Amino acid sequence: SAVISQKPSRDICQRGTSLTIQCQVDSQVTMMFWYRQQPGQSLTLIATANQGSEATYESGFVIDKFPISRPNLTFSTLTVSNMSPEDSSIYLCSVEDLDGYNEQFFGPGTRLTVL
Amino acid sequence: KQEVTQIPAALSVPEGENLVLNCSFTDSAIYNLQWFRQDPGKGLTSLLLIQSSQREQTSGRLNASLDKSSGRSTLYIAASQPGDSATYLCAVSPNSGYALNFGKGTSLLVTP
Repeated sequence: SAVISQKPSRDICQRGTSLTIQCQVDSQVTMMFWYRQQPGQSLTLIATANQGSEATYESGFVIDKFPISRPNLTFSTLTVSNMSPEDSSIYLCSVEDLDGYNEQFFGPGTRLTVL
Repeated sequence: KQEVTQIPAALSVPEGENLVLNCSFTDSAIYNLQWFRQDPGKGLTSLLLIQSSQREQTSGRLNASLDKSSGRSTLYIAASQPGDSATYLCAVSPNSGYALNFGKGTSLLVTP
């Protein structure tokens, strides 16, 4: 199974600033996904990041607010731009394991608090 | 649009009880279904994956079943322990390479 790490694990940021979250996988994967989990809620997909192409964003999420990079098959970043307190959430990246079962694995998450 | 519902939203049981968590989904055209565990403030740990052609999967004290035609899955936990206390999430995938649609989870508390 894929092992995923995220940096930072948590951060407290001021309103109006930006934070870049890194996601590193220990094996090459095609699809990487970024989710947001607001307090007390389930996971909502932000975007799908495919290496070599632009990320595909879900309704309600835009590239200017959540720019994503996918420079290679093991790494991706998500930036939360011009933050407001409403952006306080856990941000998680996940990958689909190409072992024939298409199981999805998640990173430990980044807990973001915006003041 | 796929809707995933989990019942109950919260559950409290004494240690040693067997319990069942329920998950239902509106579109039966799924590729697979996964059950996850999430501890407070943490990421998700994959517990079981059931492919659409399968009926059940087992791992230790956990057993997950899938009835694709009726849009239902159950997670059975045998002989519950306080360490099982967590939120359990059900998620379905429409196809390989697609993101998961999640339910809101069942918050489980196992008391000593």
